[in-house]
Amino acid sequence: EVRLVESGGGLVQPGGSLRLSCAASGFTFSTYDMHWVRQAPGKGLEWVSYISSGSSTMYYADPVKGRFSISRDNAKNSLYLQMNSLTDEDTAVYYCARRIQPNGMDVWGQGTTVTVSS
Amino acid sequence: QSVLTQPPSASGTPGQRVTISCSGSSSNIGSNTVNWYQQLPGTAPKLLIYSTNQRPSGVPDRFSGSKSGTSASLAISGLQSEDEADYYCAAWDDSLNVPCVFGTGTKVTVL
Repeated sequence: EVRLVESGGGLVQPGGSLRLSCAASGFTFSTYDMHWVRQAPGKGLEWVSYISSGSSTMYYADPVKGRFSISRDNAKNSLYLQMNSLTDEDTAVYYCARRIQPNGMDVWGQGTTVTVSS
Repeated sequence: QSVLTQPPSASGTPGQRVTISCSGSSSNIGSNTVNWYQQLPGTAPKLLIYSTNQRPSGVPDRFSGSKSGTSASLAISGLQSEDEADYYCAAWDDSLNVPCVFGTGTKVTVL
């Protein structure tokens, strides 16, 4: 079964850091580009970041640029999102998703919740 | 804020046809393919349409996508109660140089 499982979410104070993980199984992780997408409470979907299969290309949404860093470990079938200088506007459910060609997300995790609050 | 604009809501009775629009620009919908996602309450999004008009395996043919110029549409024919969900369009944006911008989302209600 093709599966993505996020972890690492939790409650963090403003200005703090958190590292999200996404464990992939059931497919050849190293051949797929990956995304992070978030959804604030009661709001719509917001794309956060992208990484190519070999980590050569990365993109970030403007609100997280300079604060978030995406990475992956193909040997461990894992995707990561390092989040620094968190603000309350980063409070959201964070999803990892697999990219299909030419451009879509066909497999999603269940999401992990990040709450930024003092 | 999103660069793709959708109506906040749409509704229909069972069996009706409902259409959702997604308005963008030449840098996103106008020059790239469009994807549509369905999000049932409390669940992760699901890919509904990719490459503007292609359905992944398992998606009923009641769902169809199209594009004209800088706008795209999702049509749901033979509306069913289980179609009540939020729907989002998405596309690559060449001007922003990002691989994905989402639409504002449309809540479909089955009356």
